[in-house]
Amino acid sequence: SQTIHQWPATLVQPVGSPLSLECTVEGTSNPNLYWYRQAAGRGLQLLFYSVGIGQISSEVPQNLSASRPQDRQFILSSKKLLLSDSGFYLCAWSVVVDEKLFFGSGTQLSVL
Amino acid sequence: SQQGEEDPQALSIQEGENATMNCSYKTSINNLQWYRQNSGRGLVHLILIRSNEREKHSGRLRVTLDTSKKSSSLLITASRAADTASYFCATEETSGSRLTFGEGTQLTVNP
Repeated sequence: SQTIHQWPATLVQPVGSPLSLECTVEGTSNPNLYWYRQAAGRGLQLLFYSVGIGQISSEVPQNLSASRPQDRQFILSSKKLLLSDSGFYLCAWSVVVDEKLFFGSGTQLSVL
Repeated sequence: SQQGEEDPQALSIQEGENATMNCSYKTSINNLQWYRQNSGRGLVHLILIRSNEREKHSGRLRVTLDTSKKSSSLLITASRAADTASYFCATEETSGSRLTFGEGTQLTVNP
């Protein structure tokens, strides 16, 4: 069966520090991968998605970047965090683009 | 940009009652999906309904889609305390824009 791992669950970082969140998927090949951000009590905002290794699409201009170094690995990064980067970050995968997404358990990022 | 809007924003019912949540959207869609999120957790996919479908069932869940009114509803029958969660609709537009989530309905089922 397929599983998705996302870590860490909670992260507290100072403003200006770097960020690296990792997401891996097991049990499937060539998944479509997504990074979302969710503000408290709000819906999801798509940050990046990838349909294959090295293929990254950015949905909104921001202080973040994404990479897909391996087929089932998706990394969200920042060189210098801003206060506005705080939020709940969710990784997800799907077989068909934008259909039936499977989500990780999320990372609560607090930038102080 | 937000496409789907859920209504109501919050709903509180007693165990055993039915819960109905609505989602309205603005443009033509290929499909509409409903997801559930327990507090502090990831989302779980519930049902996908395509634009040429009018109704789908899954266990205690019933989803309807009215493309003429650009709206969908999610009905949870015989609710349980464990159904307490936020429920989101998400739409895949025919324009090719990526899946867009609404703001969600917070459902509380009181034992």
